[in-house]
Amino acid sequence: DSGVTQTPKHLITATGQRVTLRCSPRSGDLSVYWYQQSLDQGLQFLIHYYNGEERAKGNILERFSAQQFPDLHSELNLSSLELGDSALYFCASSVGGRTLTGELFFGEGSRLTVL
Amino acid sequence: GQNIDQPTEMTATEGAIVQINCTYQTSGFNGLFWYQQHAGEAPTFLSYNVLDGLEEKGRFSSFLSRSKGYSYLLLKELQMKDSASYLCAVRDGDYKLSFGAGTTVTVRA
Repeated sequence: DSGVTQTPKHLITATGQRVTLRCSPRSGDLSVYWYQQSLDQGLQFLIHYYNGEERAKGNILERFSAQQFPDLHSELNLSSLELGDSALYFCASSVGGRTLTGELFFGEGSRLTVL
Repeated sequence: GQNIDQPTEMTATEGAIVQINCTYQTSGFNGLFWYQQHAGEAPTFLSYNVLDGLEEKGRFSSFLSRSKGYSYLLLKELQMKDSASYLCAVRDGDYKLSFGAGTTVTVRA
């Protein structure tokens, strides 16, 4: 158990709908990262938050948005869903800043299926 | 941007050694990580290199050459449970961690 909690674990929805994925980082971690992993593809970096502020953005679609709240949990909002958005969405946390290794601890992921 | 290359698949026999190579090009460098991921599961941290040289951790070792943009992960005394995808990841100057597509290692009896 990495200490990172993601909900829901599984989600099935229809095209055009909107969903929210939630992530609670490990206690004490200030950084939250979101990654998308489609079938047979690598982890694609979406966005990084540190202590409530956006730090870096990857290949995140305009239909997707995220935020990190004062209690450090984060939400990833996916709207106008398309079939191609079906993927495993991982949240990861780290202490953040210029720590020794800054390794990321991953949650179990939220598997989104768009029908 | 970042470009991270690693082989797609490797197969080895139980008890053998396998070396997974990773080459990268990045704007700014702040460390290289190796993660293990079993199918459908979360990636788990294996190793971290920020200086040139070899880091050993039990059956796993990782090597880095920053001047060559090259790293490898060495898995020794392979066990069936080592069958997984191994992800090379590079942290850039902005502390963004980008992953390669992963190398699927199959261990055969």
